[in-house]
Amino acid sequence: GEDVEQSLFLSVREGDSSVINCTYTDSSSTYLYWYKQEPGAGLQLLTYIFSNMDMKQDQRLTVLLNKKDKHLSLRIADTQTGDSAIYFCAEMDTDKLIFGTGTRLQVFP
Amino acid sequence: KAGVTQTPRYLIKTRGQQVTLSCSPISGHRSVSWYQQTPGQGLQFLFEYFSETQRNKGNFPGRFSGRQFSNSRSEMNVSTLELGDSALYLCASSLGQGASKNIQYFGAGTRLSVL
Repeated sequence: GEDVEQSLFLSVREGDSSVINCTYTDSSSTYLYWYKQEPGAGLQLLTYIFSNMDMKQDQRLTVLLNKKDKHLSLRIADTQTGDSAIYFCAEMDTDKLIFGTGTRLQVFP
Repeated sequence: KAGVTQTPRYLIKTRGQQVTLSCSPISGHRSVSWYQQTPGQGLQFLFEYFSETQRNKGNFPGRFSGRQFSNSRSEMNVSTLELGDSALYLCASSLGQGASKNIQYFGAGTRLSVL
């Protein structure tokens, strides 16, 4: 079945880059997504990438997609304390989102 | 443009009761999906409605049901509540068709506590 895997924690210093990694299993996924969840809040769509792309950049965010290895990454440049949150990778499978377990990003000064 | 609105934000119920949660999608969006988030199971898909019809369903018991109205607003109902139904219930809306049909935007969620 479908499975999306992420590491559970990442800790970075303010100003450094953060890289959050994700592996997925469904090679037919047309879109892959990154969502952000702050404490007590819903999910905020950060960015998404179409499966025929290798990279997408949006301000401080860079998404890299390696279809051969089914690997997706999110790079946050110049990480700020406001970036502290849980980041979810997700793939689309028959019109429903399959989410990873989430990576908790902690940014320290 | 207003985002996805979920009401109420918090609910406390007791076992055996039933509950109804509401979701108003982004204006112009015709698809509404519901997800359950728990610490143990993570985020799991419940069902999706498009133009008042259930188009997709996850692996949840029949106690979980939903509907969608002609204005695209959706409700989900959980009957005979169990302790394990305590969760954050998230609603997401999307256009539901066309190139952007799978871009889903989420509401803030309804946190349900079952005592």
